Amino acid sequence: GNSVTQMEGPVTLSEEAFLTINCTYTATGYPSLFWYVQYPGEGLQLLLKATKADDKGSNKGFEATYRKETTSFHLEKGSVQVSDSAVYFCALSDREEDSSYKLIFGSGTRLLVRP
Amino acid sequence: AAGVIQSPRHLIKEKRETATLKCYPIPRHDTVYWYQQGPGQDPQFLISFYEKMQSDKGSIPDRFSAQQFSDYHSELNMSSLELGDSALYFCASSPGTAGYTFGSGTRLTVV
Repeated sequence: GNSVTQMEGPVTLSEEAFLTINCTYTATGYPSLFWYVQYPGEGLQLLLKATKADDKGSNKGFEATYRKETTSFHLEKGSVQVSDSAVYFCALSDREEDSSYKLIFGSGTRLLVRP
Repeated sequence: AAGVIQSPRHLIKEKRETATLKCYPIPRHDTVYWYQQGPGQDPQFLISFYEKMQSDKGSIPDRFSAQQFSDYHSELNMSSLELGDSALYFCASSPGTAGYTFGSGTRLTVV
C-alpha cells in the first residue's frame, strides 16, 4: 500500500541555518505530494505541493522537488527563522478507482529554530 | 477568503457520551474529508464525502458515523466515547481535486 516515511525529529537548528527534512514515499500509482505545516495548537496548513515528477513546489522560502527516480520529496530552506518552528508533515495523495483524494501522512518532523 | 469552519473548537465529554462535530466547507467545494490526529501522531483519514455521498472510508470506528447535508456541511457523530477518542479532529474541503484546505480542528477531550 501507499506510505510516507520522513525523518524523525526533533530537528534543532540555529537561526539562518540550512534546513533539510527528508521524505520518501511508496505508491502504486502517480501520487501528488505535499508538505503541510502545523504550528502549536493550530490546524494543518498547506506549505507546498507537486503533482508530477520533476515538479518543484515552493512557498515562503521552502522548496521541494518531486523525484520519481528516488521516490523522494525532501523539504529544504536556505535560511530558517525562529518563526519556522513547527511540525512539518509530508503527505501523498494517490486517488484509486472509486476512491477519494485522501491524504496519507508521514509521522511528522518537529523543527525547533533557536535565535 | 472564506476558510473551512469547524465547530466547536473545543469539546469535553465523559466516557460513553456522544459528540457531534460540525464542518462547513469552503463555498463551492463539493468534497469533505475528516481526519483524526491523536496526541503526537500524524493525522489519520476517517471518511470522505462527495456530493453528499460517502466517497471513501478509512479507519473510522463503527461507533462513529458521518454525513454531508444538502448545503454541503458535514457532521461527524461519535457515540459511546472512549478515552482513546481524545484527539484533534480535522475537516478539510476540496473542489474535487488533490490538495485541499483544512479547518482549524476540534479538540475533543474524553474524561
